[in-house]
Amino acid sequence: SAVISQKPSRDICQRGTSLTIQCQVDSQVTMMFWYRQQPGQSLTLIATANQGSEATYESGFVIDKFPISRPNLTFSTLTVSNMSPEDSSIYLCSVAGQFLSTSTDTQYFGPGTRLTVL
Amino acid sequence: GESVGLHLPTLSVQEGDNSIINCAYSNSASDYFIWYKQESGKGPQFIIDIRSNMDKRQGQRVTVLLNKTVKHLSLQIAATQPGDSAVYFCAGTISGTYKYIFGTGTRLKVLA
Repeated sequence: SAVISQKPSRDICQRGTSLTIQCQVDSQVTMMFWYRQQPGQSLTLIATANQGSEATYESGFVIDKFPISRPNLTFSTLTVSNMSPEDSSIYLCSVAGQFLSTSTDTQYFGPGTRLTVL
Repeated sequence: GESVGLHLPTLSVQEGDNSIINCAYSNSASDYFIWYKQESGKGPQFIIDIRSNMDKRQGQRVTVLLNKTVKHLSLQIAATQPGDSAVYFCAGTISGTYKYIFGTGTRLKVLA
């Protein structure tokens, strides 16, 4: 499977500021996704990052709060804007549809970014 | 709405015993299922998957069983080891949609 890295691995931020999280894959992938995982809970899909076009957001998530970029097939960013303590979570990127993969349905996850907002 | 749920939030097993983690899903159209293992401070790690045209699939020390009639799947871990301690998530999707529905997770504790 692809090797996925995220930066930063963790951060502590002040209320009202913004943080941009990077997701880098070592091979080209068709699909990239961003999830949020609140402490002790399961994963919730924020959006699908579309290469060269606007991301597709899930219900409850909006572009103004979580702008996403995907300039190419190996890289994406998620920005958490105007943060509040409720945004404290683990943010995970995942990928699917790797080149030569036998399955395009399987999602592989990055290590996550642990965000704490004070 | 759609859901994929797990029956038990925590499972404790003795080292060397077999573990069985269960998961129920509600969308009968789901045709692809995955089990992930998430260790503390890490992202979910793919363990094994199964498509709806199969009832059983085996990996290294793990087996996934799918019962479409009752919309239930399980993960069996043979000879559970301390390194198996983690939270296990099941997820279901309809092929091609990439919309995973995740279960709430089961924490597996391996007792020495």
